[in-house]
Amino acid sequence: DAGVTQSPTHLIKTRGQHVTLRCSPISGHKSVSWYQQVLGQGPQFIFQYYEKEERGRGNFPDRFSARQFPNYSSELNVNALLLGDSALYLCASSLGHENTEAFFGQGTRLTVV
Amino acid sequence: AQSVTQLDSQVPVFEEAPVELRCNYSSSVSVYLFWYVQYPNQGLQLLLKYLSGSTLVKGINGFEAEFNKSQTSFHLRKPSVHISDTAEYFCAVIRVTSGTYKYIFGTGTRLKVLA
Repeated sequence: DAGVTQSPTHLIKTRGQHVTLRCSPISGHKSVSWYQQVLGQGPQFIFQYYEKEERGRGNFPDRFSARQFPNYSSELNVNALLLGDSALYLCASSLGHENTEAFFGQGTRLTVV
Repeated sequence: AQSVTQLDSQVPVFEEAPVELRCNYSSSVSVYLFWYVQYPNQGLQLLLKYLSGSTLVKGINGFEAEFNKSQTSFHLRKPSVHISDTAEYFCAVIRVTSGTYKYIFGTGTRLKVLA
């Protein structure tokens, strides 16, 4: 069985640009969460989606948005990129919104220059 | 509010020696506790979790952790480490807010196993 897959694995963008990161959850999982991991720190919660609806949002600016599709895959969008957005972006999937066992993908390493 | 404190940023240990990685949490409600491992340039892999029941939790790769409610701790242990255990270890707790289940992670402990 495939695990959580994220694409792309690495990305370099310029300040001010927009980026879209993609995540496919484990088959049968209906909840997807996004986390930002800045170098040297633990992951920080950005969003949780369940059954295509946003169920929660972390302390991130409105430049960050996401959505979940009917097949439960998800996109994370970041507008007007800043240098400080450089991080590893992790997607986690779980069966239901009660996220008591989350499976993480390999992440997308975003570098903003 | 729930939070997680990992007391050691780095832990060097010789191969085949025992190791303990410390984690303390603060919580006023039900506690769900986790340990994840992150190898270089990879995502997070679940080592073990405590949701309820027995306070001694066994995980993968020979790791175990003990939930101690009175000391609000969830320390990770392994009796004999291998070079391959070199990685970053994260303790996490779930915060439930208005139906949202989000993981709150500690800052991580870098385990370095020395030959």
